[in-house]
Amino acid sequence: DAGVTQSPTHLIKTRGQHVTLRCSPISGHKSVSWYQQVLGQGPQFIFQYYEKEERGRGNFPDRFSARQFPNYSSELNVNALLLGDSALYLCASSLAGNTIYFGEGSWLTVV
Amino acid sequence: EDQVTQSPEALRLQEGESSSLNCSYTVSGLRGLFWYRQDPGKGPEFLFTLYSAGEEKEKERLKATLTKKESFLHITAPKPEDSATYLCAVQWGTDSWGKLQFGAGTQVVVTP
Repeated sequence: DAGVTQSPTHLIKTRGQHVTLRCSPISGHKSVSWYQQVLGQGPQFIFQYYEKEERGRGNFPDRFSARQFPNYSSELNVNALLLGDSALYLCASSLAGNTIYFGEGSWLTVV
Repeated sequence: EDQVTQSPEALRLQEGESSSLNCSYTVSGLRGLFWYRQDPGKGPEFLFTLYSAGEEKEKERLKATLTKKESFLHITAPKPEDSATYLCAVQWGTDSWGKLQFGAGTQVVVTP
């Protein structure tokens, strides 16, 4: 069975641009969460979506937004990119919160 | 404020030299404590979820235990392939059960 899949795996953007990251959860999982991980730190929670509704939001500016589609896949959007947004963006999926699986992430570099 | 603290930050072990990693937490209403392994450039790989004090779980050379304020990950007779960063995370509260609060991780290097 396929795990959590994310795309793209690597991308480079310029300050001020917009980026969209995509995630497909494990088949049957209805919850998707997004995390940001900068080098040397643990992942930080950005959003959780369950059944297409936002269920939680971390301490991130409004430049960050997300949505979940009817097939439970999800997009994370970041507007007006800053150098500090350079990080590994992780998507996680879960059936009921007991086991939370992560994808391999999308590496974003802002120059 | 730090709610999840992992120690040590880094650990260098000889192959076969057992050791323990610590994860202390200050949240109330813990729903679950998660352990992950993360290799460089990869996403975290799920290892265990613990739910109540006294609970233990094992997987190969790894054993995780939980008390009311901390968790330990014991690595028994480690091999070089156990080299990775080990992350712990807590899940708490009644809403947003998909939210995990992570520690900074312990980087483990096992030398032959």
